[in-house]
Amino acid sequence: DAMVIQNPRYQVTQFGKPVTLSCSQTLNHNVMYWYQQKSSQAPKLLFHYYDKDFNNEADTPDNFQSRRPNTSFCFLDIRSPGLGDAAMYLCATSRADLTQAFFGQGTRLTVV
Amino acid sequence: QKEVEQDPGPLSVPEGAIVSLNCTYSNSAFQYFMWYRQYSRKGPELLMYTYSSGNKEDGRFTAQVDKSSKYISLFIRDSQPSDSATYLCAGGYGQNFVFGPGTRLSVLP
Repeated sequence: DAMVIQNPRYQVTQFGKPVTLSCSQTLNHNVMYWYQQKSSQAPKLLFHYYDKDFNNEADTPDNFQSRRPNTSFCFLDIRSPGLGDAAMYLCATSRADLTQAFFGQGTRLTVV
Repeated sequence: QKEVEQDPGPLSVPEGAIVSLNCTYSNSAFQYFMWYRQYSRKGPELLMYTYSSGNKEDGRFTAQVDKSSKYISLFIRDSQPSDSATYLCAGGYGQNFVFGPGTRLSVLP
């Protein structure tokens, strides 16, 4: 059974049109991460939540925002998607005391 | 210098071969290391997690960490075509971990 679920699997959005990607988890993990992965590249951390504490990476563009309304759900908002934001977006979770990160299947974002 | 380096491959081996995948890292603060397998257009799947120098075995997979030389390896015995994927190594401390770019492996029947 899937433990980290990302919806949708594929998302097409228009240039400049806000889009939200969602992630839910059944593991009750404290920590949730959002990564961006472009073709043949390493996943790049955008930000993570430790419980409700938000930790933004220094080089994450302001265009990317996140919300975590409760333990189970986390959202990635892209306010004005550009062509360069087309990528796979990966959500991951881990326990605070044992950082084995478990990933969802990803959302592949296309910007047209 | 990137914190975690990996040869991107592609690496092609015949079925049944022993595969050796390697990473080097530069951050002495790394306390734990992970290996992930990622199939095309899928999310990474955790294969191995190690916290100290030495070897850890799980089925056909063995992870090896040498903190003195900042070198980590993943060995796959009796490789199968289903092992064809990209293998990502990661090193980290606390809630912070960094991935290498991945090595693409093809196991040919």
